Amino acid sequence: EIVLTQSPGTLSLSPGERATLSCRASQSVSSSYLAWYQQKPGQAPRLLIYGASSRATGIPDRFSGSGSGTDFTLTISRLEPEDFAVYYCQQYGSSPYTFGPGTKVDIK
Amino acid sequence: EVQLVQSGAEVKKPGESLKISCKGSAHSFTSYWLAWVRQMPGKGLEWMGIIYPGDSDTRFSPSFQGQVTISADKSISTAYLQWSSLKDSDSAMYYCARLSDSGIYRSPFDIWGQGTMVTVSS
Repeated sequence: EIVLTQSPGTLSLSPGERATLSCRASQSVSSSYLAWYQQKPGQAPRLLIYGASSRATGIPDRFSGSGSGTDFTLTISRLEPEDFAVYYCQQYGSSPYTFGPGTKVDIK
Repeated sequence: EVQLVQSGAEVKKPGESLKISCKGSAHSFTSYWLAWVRQMPGKGLEWMGIIYPGDSDTRFSPSFQGQVTISADKSISTAYLQWSSLKDSDSAMYYCARLSDSGIYRSPFDIWGQGTMVTVSS
């Protein structure tokens, strides 16, 4: 089973700042089958990024993903008020399709 | 617009059985894998397993194998998650989610249901 580790656990930033979230895998994620999801309180998760760097439909271009192998990054270029949420990475290249523990982005 | 609509919240006692559902709105329901994801209170997301409604091919996370049953009725575009004997530790929010690429199980989850809250308490 591929274990995903996310850092930091919590990121405290102000609107307009840049957010950099990390996701590290215990073994290489095949074909960059790595996704990022956003979850707000009381809501279902929403797909942001798939294939490590492709934005899902309707996702603003301030969200970008990068990385390969075992190290992946989600970057939010300028935080908007609606971006404060929990972000999860997920690998879907090897069953079971594990999620990371999440990074909470909160308002400083 | 494709939607997944889940059944309502449940309150059960330990040892009871339960079956929750996830209904797809599109006729293409049978062509996409569908996942079940658990989220315990205040915790992260856990992938439980997936099913292909077209032929009911099912894959499980080892953590959930034997603990739950995943099934589907393609005639009514509905997938199910079932317990035969609930435990307190099954209390959680359960989401169904569609895998984005038709027929491909190595796909991200692009459409999510609204979640079903299951509370197990004596």
